[in-house]
Amino acid sequence: DTEVTQTPKHLVMGMTNKKSLKCEQHMGHRAMYWYKQKAKKPPELMFVYSYEKLSINESVPSRFSPECPNSSLLNLHLHALQPEDSALYLCASSHSHGELQFFGPGTRLTVL
Amino acid sequence: QKEVEQDPGPLSVPEGAIVSLNCTYSNSAFQYFMWYRQYSRKGPELLMYTYSSGNKEDGRFTAQVDKSSKYISLFIRDSQPSDSATYLCAMSISSNTGKLIFGQGTTLQVKP
Repeated sequence: DTEVTQTPKHLVMGMTNKKSLKCEQHMGHRAMYWYKQKAKKPPELMFVYSYEKLSINESVPSRFSPECPNSSLLNLHLHALQPEDSALYLCASSHSHGELQFFGPGTRLTVL
Repeated sequence: QKEVEQDPGPLSVPEGAIVSLNCTYSNSAFQYFMWYRQYSRKGPELLMYTYSSGNKEDGRFTAQVDKSSKYISLFIRDSQPSDSATYLCAMSISSNTGKLIFGQGTTLQVKP
């Protein structure tokens, strides 16, 4: 299995909602990443987990809360988002941090 | 000056043309050089990568790295309409935290 999967594919939420994005990989990778991508821009790194521990937080607002329950799973909990948070949220994984990263298909998030 | 510069295009070519996509960079510590292909509303797909310097060929695709000039290229031979996508160059320092530095992406359209 050489895939990174993400659910849901699409998500529409109000500013007062709480929702979660999920990411899964079964490649035995020990580093996992969350990125945010706006239209016609490259992905922007949000968080890095290495061996299930948060190693990088790129000064992301606290309304985004990552969680790594185990080495295969990565969640992004969303609360009180703003319309400008609407974007494609991408998960990626790599064998270890600093190695080649493989991306999932993304979750397209719309905040109303 | 950005760490990685990439002409955003758009680039439009006829089917069968040879396409050259390029990035320049300023950080001589970069060791991994990657090209991702991203179709509209999808996640980036790792297309080619090289470690350190030199050339790598895979079918119709050739990736080149010239560390002395801080310049990388992706060549696509016999381009097909299915190659129409955004191509992102990305670089990293393997001993670092795993942060990828992306170019802005070049949008390519191959016309039948």
